[in-house]
Amino acid sequence: AQKVTQAQTEISVVEKEDVTLDCVYETRDTTYYLFWYKQPPSGELVFLIRRNSFDEQNEISGRYSWNFQKSTSSFNFTITASQVVDSAVYFCALSEIKYAGGTSYGKLTFGQGTILTVHP
Amino acid sequence: DTAVSQTPKYLVTQMGNDKSIKCEQNLGHDTMYWYKQDSKKFLKIMFSYNNKELIINETVPNRFSPKSPDKAHLNLHINSLELGDSAVYFCASSQARRASGTEETQYFGPGTRLLVL
Repeated sequence: AQKVTQAQTEISVVEKEDVTLDCVYETRDTTYYLFWYKQPPSGELVFLIRRNSFDEQNEISGRYSWNFQKSTSSFNFTITASQVVDSAVYFCALSEIKYAGGTSYGKLTFGQGTILTVHP
Repeated sequence: DTAVSQTPKYLVTQMGNDKSIKCEQNLGHDTMYWYKQDSKKFLKIMFSYNNKELIINETVPNRFSPKSPDKAHLNLHINSLELGDSAVYFCASSQARRASGTEETQYFGPGTRLLVL
């Protein structure tokens, strides 16, 4: 069975600090996808990034960067120079590929979420 | 303009009532999902439909019945509501791929906050 663990339940930092959110996953699939979603206080779920199991290149998008290491089954997320607007719950998710009627689709398993609070 | 929309945004009701939550997406996707987020923020998939056909059905009480009139809509009907049904329910959609073994990103609606009294 698939499993995603976000060991940090809550993290509190001061603005401009760098912060890394950890994500470790378990799967027996060779093809899978990893995601990060952000849930701000307003409650919606905002997609941040998708990475497939064959692409271990790290990615940077502005102040956000992601480090995917298949050898340790980790997909960590770093926010550089954090800002108050980064305060949110962040979810890491793993997707297993399912097939039905000739098409493939994903079934997401979410981690428990990490509550990030950035203080001014 | 909204990609995935849900109505209502808030739902407060009494135990034993029957209620429905509606979801619509204008992204042209053919796969839709319902997720439940409990009070500890844990998100778990409940159902998924692909082109109006049920493809994922997790162990959800049969008081919950999803209905997909067309591929742009996936509604959730809940009978005999219980206190434990209080949660945030999220609808999501994605585009399935023809036998390619790929996963497309799931985009989520704003959520419906259900409170059963």
